[in-house]
Amino acid sequence: DAKTTQPNSMESNEEEPVHLPCNHSTISGTDYIHWYRQLPSQGPEYVIHGLTSNVNNRMASLAIAEDRKSSTLILHRATLRDAAVYYCILRENAGGTSYGKLTFGQGTILTVHP
Amino acid sequence: DAGVTQSPTHLIKTRGQHVTLRCSPISGHKSVSWYQQVLGQGPQFIFQYYEKEERGRGNFPDRFSARQFPNYSSELNVNALLLGDSALYLCASSWVTSGVGNEQFFGPGTRLTVL
Repeated sequence: DAKTTQPNSMESNEEEPVHLPCNHSTISGTDYIHWYRQLPSQGPEYVIHGLTSNVNNRMASLAIAEDRKSSTLILHRATLRDAAVYYCILRENAGGTSYGKLTFGQGTILTVHP
Repeated sequence: DAGVTQSPTHLIKTRGQHVTLRCSPISGHKSVSWYQQVLGQGPQFIFQYYEKEERGRGNFPDRFSARQFPNYSSELNVNALLLGDSALYLCASSWVTSGVGNEQFFGPGTRLTVL
């Protein structure tokens, strides 16, 4: 499985934007970039995913570099409820042998200050 | 709608015992995956089942086994427990095994403590 690299921790103030970076220099052409987050005492939660184009949903935006070797998860206005561990994960597209497996790294611990 | 449910919530066992953890997927989901999360680490993939067949296995010893039932619920069994098996065991369900839309929905987990 392709590897991702994320900062161990980041801090933000409430209601400010947060940009969470992820490096994935060995990404293959068929790998999708997924983001999950894990709030304290809960299971991981899907945030967003994309392939080449930037993506937006109700939770966040995903900006993908043109060469796809890095991406950034953007929380437009951080709230205290966004404090969590954020995981950047590469997943093979349909037909790959990874089936449903998610390969989690260490993730980024996001702290949001009031 | 109910999310993924897991039982029990917490469990304490002693070394050498065996344990069975249970998972009920979201209604309509046919794929169930199991993960182990040791404190301070990200979840590690153990198994995936789809339509009652094993479709993926992580790097775990044969002491770990699982199965999926006709109603798509699943059990994870761990034999001969070791202290290192103490962890949060997470179950996740999804519509299909792979593909771009394969968002996985996680349950709250079972906290296993081995003494």
